Amino acid sequence: GQNIDQPTEMTATEGAIVQINCTYQTSGFNGLFWYQQHAGEAPTFLSYNVLDGLEEKGRFSSFLSRSKGYSYLLLKELQMKDSASYLCASMDSNYQLIWGAGTKLIIKP
Amino acid sequence: DAGITQSPRHKVTETGTPVTLRCHQTENHRYMYWYRQDPGHGLRLIHYSYGVKDTDKGEVSDGYSVSRSKTEDFLLTLESATSSQTSVYFCAISETDNYGYTFGSGTRLTVV
Repeated sequence: GQNIDQPTEMTATEGAIVQINCTYQTSGFNGLFWYQQHAGEAPTFLSYNVLDGLEEKGRFSSFLSRSKGYSYLLLKELQMKDSASYLCASMDSNYQLIWGAGTKLIIKP
Repeated sequence: DAGITQSPRHKVTETGTPVTLRCHQTENHRYMYWYRQDPGHGLRLIHYSYGVKDTDKGEVSDGYSVSRSKTEDFLLTLESATSSQTSVYFCAISETDNYGYTFGSGTRLTVV
């Protein structure tokens, strides 16, 4: 079956760094997406990885290892506004997104 | 810059009644999707469309139907609402099938 695993909740301190892990198992692979979702709002696109390696975009970076079925989202210099859920999604061979349940990130001052 | 809008934003309905949710886009994107989001679950695909009058089922399509008569509108109908369909419904659009999605603001549906 198809499965995406990510931690349910994480807590970090303002100004620190946090890494949110995601493992995936899908029928085929056409890329790994990360979305941010603030409470009561729509998910918004953060990053897309299809090749192995690290993609950096400002304070956010995303890493992919296709051989390990593994990705992480790295958030640096955490700000209170980063408190949100982070959704990992893998695109399968039919170009359908398979979603994890999301990681709720709590930032403490 | 709302290229995608959903209506209504909130709805309370009674068990057994039909309900239609609307998704409207101004981006002229080919692909449109309906998802539901429930606590403890990832977004689950209900139905999607890859063009006018071209639709297909997702993983949780039972009890739902869709229609797309124009590029810009994608309607989701709950034929006879049940309490298990209480959820937040998101519409999403995509330019191509291997591209990221843009989501609407969601519809919170409560079936009592």
